Amino acid sequence: GESVGLHLPTLSVQEGDNSIINCAYSNSASDYFIWYKQESGKGPQFIIDIRSNMDKRQGQRVTVLLNKTVKHLSLQIAATQPGDSAVYFCAENKNYGGATNKLIFGTGTLLAVQP
Amino acid sequence: DTGVSQNPRHKITKRGQNVTFRCDPISEHNRLYWYRQTLGQGPEFLTYFQNEAQLEKSRLLSDRFSAERPKGSFSTLEIQRTEQGDSAMYLCASSLGQGSEQFFGPGTRLTVL
Repeated sequence: GESVGLHLPTLSVQEGDNSIINCAYSNSASDYFIWYKQESGKGPQFIIDIRSNMDKRQGQRVTVLLNKTVKHLSLQIAATQPGDSAVYFCAENKNYGGATNKLIFGTGTLLAVQP
Repeated sequence: DTGVSQNPRHKITKRGQNVTFRCDPISEHNRLYWYRQTLGQGPEFLTYFQNEAQLEKSRLLSDRFSAERPKGSFSTLEIQRTEQGDSAMYLCASSLGQGSEQFFGPGTRLTVL
């Protein structure tokens, strides 16, 4: 995909609202998808994952939806809190079931939660 | 804190110098990964180990880069003759095995002057 350089897509929401972050992945053969949260100065933190035999998975306040037809992934965060402010990345895993688990990360989305 | 540690957290060096970074994975994890992240981008895969064996290397890993995991525990990433384009965050991750979650360390931020 194209690089967005320093200009990350940004989603600005009010505290308490629901957030939806979208991601398009590149490889129809990918069969494992993960959402990571990255705060400034820290490494990515696992949020939730989903395998290609599912189209929805729920965690605590988060839901991931997978649409394999259009190669689209979304992360829904319920009742967004200021602590949710971070950059969110989706990642796809190629060759799951093979010899490697390298992750291919998409372009991040900056979530800004307004109090 | 995920349990993956990296040292140093920050490194400033002059162009042409060699640098070495260390990663200590979660102790029972047999897989260890190195990624590079530049500002505004997602992490890019560099290489990965299963135990002490280096099983895959990205084309991003030029011959100035070398990674080792001599005893299947900690790993080092060395960059020789650093260039300004090497400035980035170098992230290490570990996982328990195939198909399992990768836990990332805090990264080492390299600045090449």
